[in-house]
This record gives sequence, C-alpha cells and structure tokens, in this order.
Amino acid sequence: EILLTQSPATLSLSPGERATLSCRASQSVISYLAWYQHKPGQGPRLLIYDASNRATGIPARFTGSGSGTDFTLTISSLEPEDFAVYYCQQRSNWPYTFGQGTKLEIK
Amino acid sequence: EVQLLESGGGLVQPGGSLRLSCAASGFTFSNYAMSWVRQAPGKGLEWISAFSGGGGSTHYADSVKGRFTISRDNSKNTLYLQMNSLRADDTAIYYCAKDRNTAMVGLFDYWGQGTLVTVSS
Repeated sequence: EILLTQSPATLSLSPGERATLSCRASQSVISYLAWYQHKPGQGPRLLIYDASNRATGIPARFTGSGSGTDFTLTISSLEPEDFAVYYCQQRSNWPYTFGQGTKLEIK
Repeated sequence: EVQLLESGGGLVQPGGSLRLSCAASGFTFSNYAMSWVRQAPGKGLEWISAFSGGGGSTHYADSVKGRFTISRDNSKNTLYLQMNSLRADDTAIYYCAKDRNTAMVGLFDYWGQGTLVTVSS
C-alpha cells in the first residue's frame, strides 16, 4: 500500500496570502495524484487531477505540481472560502490511498 | 446537475449488518465506475470499495474484504454497500463517489454528502 504523507498538518494563514501544501508518496505514483478540498458537512471536491490538471470549474489560483513522489498544491492568493481540509490521493496502485490531510485555517 | 444521495446509515451493534444506498442522478449512471469512501471520526479519508461501470468488476480494501459487498442496480441508478460483521472501527461517515471513467480509474469528480454509520453497543 502506498503511504501518502502530507505536510504541514495545519497551516495558519490570512486571506490574500499564498498557501503551499505538500504531499510525499512512499513510492512513485508517476503523476497519478489528485487533490481534494473538504469542508464540514460536505463531500470532498476534486481540485487537481494527474498532478497538475485543474478540474472543471476550479479557479486558476489553485495550481498543482510534481511527479514521482513529491507533489505540491499552491493556492496563490487565499480567499475566505478556501479555508478547509485538503487531501492528496493516489490512483497509481490498488488500494487507492489518501494522505492524512492538511487543515488550512484562518490566522 | 450531478447528484449523489447516500442513505441507510444509523446506529448498529457490533457484529450487526447495514445496507447503504447511493441514489445517483444527473448523469448516465451505468457508464461510470463508482466507489465508497469513508471517514472515521477525526481521521482522514479511506477508500474502501469500487465497482466498474458496465463490466461488473469490483475491488475492496483489505480492511473490509470479506465483510462488505458493493453492488449496483443500473436500472435504479443506485449504488449499494452491504456491510456485515460490523466492528467499532467501521464507525464513519460513508461517502459514495463517482469515477470519471467507466473503468475504475480512481478519479472521483463528484461526491455525496455522506451518511453516518455508528457501530456501538
């Protein structure tokens, strides 16, 4: 099973600031890495797939990068609605696995 | 508009059974693989089972293999999860998720809001 480790666990920033979230895989997932945003009481929302492709309707301030074992989600200028938990997920190998999440909170 | 609506959660005793349903609308259900993903209290997301569109292939996480069964009724646009021999560590919010492809490619573009399953005596 591929282990995904996200850092930091919690990120405290203010609206307008830049957020950088990391995800490291225990072995190469090539580019089969997605990012999801999750808010309480809702289902997760797909943001980025295959490392760097924005999903339909996702604003351009969300950017994904990386390949192999190291990946980054960057939010260029935080909006109030961006404060949530973010998960990375690999689909390179069964079973699909998620990272433990990064909580992005308002400073 | 794609909608996924889970139901069937509730309180069940250890060793008991429960069947979850996920009613889908807004897309051609039979054309897409579907999955169940859960989130235990205070924990992250865990994929547990998938069912392909069309072919009838299924996959399970080791944590539920032999206890849970995924199925679908394309005539009713509904995904199911039969959960037997439930344990306390199965307590979680259970989400159904639509895959982007007919095959199980593990890319979940739509999710339901979840249904809570609590296993406790």
